[in-house]
Amino acid sequence: DIQMTQSPSSLSASVGDRVTITCRASQGISNFLAWYQQKPGRVPKLLIYAASILQSGVPSRFSGSGSGTDFTLTISSLQPEDVATYYCQKYNSARIFTFGPGTKVDIK
Amino acid sequence: EVQLVQSGAEVKKPGESLKISCKGSGYSFPIYWIGWVRQMPGKGLEWMGIIYPGDSDTRYSPSFQGQVTISADKSISTAYLQWSSLKASDTAMYYCVRHDEAYIAAASAYYYYIDVWGKGTTVTVSS
Repeated sequence: DIQMTQSPSSLSASVGDRVTITCRASQGISNFLAWYQQKPGRVPKLLIYAASILQSGVPSRFSGSGSGTDFTLTISSLQPEDVATYYCQKYNSARIFTFGPGTKVDIK
Repeated sequence: EVQLVQSGAEVKKPGESLKISCKGSGYSFPIYWIGWVRQMPGKGLEWMGIIYPGDSDTRYSPSFQGQVTISADKSISTAYLQWSSLKASDTAMYYCVRHDEAYIAAASAYYYYIDVWGKGTTVTVSS
């Protein structure tokens, strides 16, 4: 069973900072990876799929990269409304999905 | 507008059974995979399983196989998540989610993701 890890588990950064979150798979998953944002008390929202494709309507300060086992979500200039927990999610050909444990992002 | 409308909050006792529902609207319900995601209080997201309402093909996360049953009735555009014997550890928010796919020709591959979420159903199991 492929396990997903994320680092860091939490971070605090200043408005305008560049923020990078890492997601790692225990085995290669090509680029079958998505990223979601869950703001406090809200329903999660899709940000990126296929590791790097921005979902329609998502601000361009969000970007994703990676393939194989290592993936990153980058916020180029952190905004107050980006305070949230971010989850990566992988899937396989059997349509079995797995979320990572999440990374909580706060404003310093 | 595409919507997933979930049934209301439930308070149950350990050992009781429960079936919660999720009604899809604004799209062709039979042709999109519908799944369930658990979020325990203060914890992360856990993908539970998925069903294709068109033919009831169902897949479960190994963590939830045998613990819950996912079903759907395409005639009324509704998916279900049920337990036969609840435990206190089933206390959580349960989200109904729609899975969509995109074909990327450059990669000759389909990519899957969750594009619509219900508002969630809170299940509390306490004696």
